[in-house]
Amino acid sequence: EIVLTQSPDFQSVTPKEKVTITCRASQSIGNSLHWYQQKPGQSPKLLIKYASQSILGVPSRFSGSGSGTDFTLTINSLEAEDVAAYYCHQSSSFPITFGQGTRLEIK
Amino acid sequence: EVQLVETGGGLIQPGGSLRLSCAASGFTVSSNYMSWVRQAPGKGLEWVSVIYSGGTTYYADSVKGRFTISRDNSKNMVYLQMNTLRAEDTAVYYCAKAWGHFDYWGQGTLVTVSS
Repeated sequence: EIVLTQSPDFQSVTPKEKVTITCRASQSIGNSLHWYQQKPGQSPKLLIKYASQSILGVPSRFSGSGSGTDFTLTINSLEAEDVAAYYCHQSSSFPITFGQGTRLEIK
Repeated sequence: EVQLVETGGGLIQPGGSLRLSCAASGFTVSSNYMSWVRQAPGKGLEWVSVIYSGGTTYYADSVKGRFTISRDNSKNMVYLQMNTLRAEDTAVYYCAKAWGHFDYWGQGTLVTVSS
């Protein structure tokens, strides 16, 4: 099983701050890594697919990078509405796995 | 517009069975991969099962042999039959349209396994 480890688990942030969340895979997964945002009480929402591909309708302040085992989700100029949990997910091999999540809170 | 609506959750005793349904609109389930993902209260996301367009299915080890994913092409619906339920199966169950990534999710249905 491919284990995805996100860091940090939790971050207290201020509006307009640049936020970086990392996701490390226990073995190489190429670019089969996707990012989701889940706001409290809501379903997850796809933010980035295949490590760096943008999704129609997602604000441009969200971007992704990486390949192999190390991946990054960057939020440029964080807005208050970005308070949420963020998850990475690998579709390289079964079982499909998710990172443990990173929760962002506004200071 | 793509929409997924899950139903069938509820309170069930340990050892019991439940069938979840996912009604899809705006696309054809038989031409896509469809997955179930669950989230225990206050916890992260856990993939449960997927059914490919060709009918091949895969399961997480935690549910293999107890859960069965299926679909009804005529109704454009996906199902998750859950047998021998355990307390640790308590979660919100999401239906998701999958093609590698999960691009659309339903609102989820809560399954509570408790005596």
